[in-house]
Amino acid sequence: DAGVTQSPTHLIKTRGQQVTLRCSPKSGHDTVSWYQQALGQGPQFIFQYYEEEERQRGNFPDRFSGHQFPNYSSELNVNALLLGDSALYLCASSLGDKRYEQYFGPGTRLTVT
Amino acid sequence: SQKIEQNSEALNIQEGKTATLTCNYTNYSPAYLQWYRQDPGRGPVFLLLIRENEKEKRKERLKVTFDTTLKQSLFHITASQPADSATYLCALDGYGQNFVFGPGTRLSVLP
Repeated sequence: DAGVTQSPTHLIKTRGQQVTLRCSPKSGHDTVSWYQQALGQGPQFIFQYYEEEERQRGNFPDRFSGHQFPNYSSELNVNALLLGDSALYLCASSLGDKRYEQYFGPGTRLTVT
Repeated sequence: SQKIEQNSEALNIQEGKTATLTCNYTNYSPAYLQWYRQDPGRGPVFLLLIRENEKEKRKERLKVTFDTTLKQSLFHITASQPADSATYLCALDGYGQNFVFGPGTRLSVLP
């Protein structure tokens, strides 16, 4: 039973560029949530996708966008990267449009230079 | 604005003792509260969930209490082991509110 997978593991981008991160949920899960975790802090909720729609969004600018595919996998896109976007980006999956008992992936470490 | 605090950034305890971690919140009406464990360089791992109408939950050596009047949750690890060393995060979710994680407490269990 595959858990949550994310790609790539690490990424280095330059300020102003755009990045796409990918996530495959745990088998049987249909909901994907994305989080940003800065060093030494707790994860911050970016948004949640369920039934291919963005259901809820945290306090993140429109530069952060996403998509969910029919197979429940998801992408996170960040445009016009800023130095402050450097963080660990975590994907979590769950069943139904709830956020309890979430299963997290290992994360993608994004560095913006 | 919504705020979650966890008692301290770091907590050191001796092996075999009970570790108690605190999660306090303001400006939030949670439907449920969760505790996660996070090891360095890895994603959080779900441990326990407690609902707003529950006072206590147990799972093996773990116990969580939830007091919505005090706006506080306590997380206990009994008979702690060095393998319990990690960062522990509390998280809140409520109807029509954002899902929010606390900053975490780094627990070190010393042999």
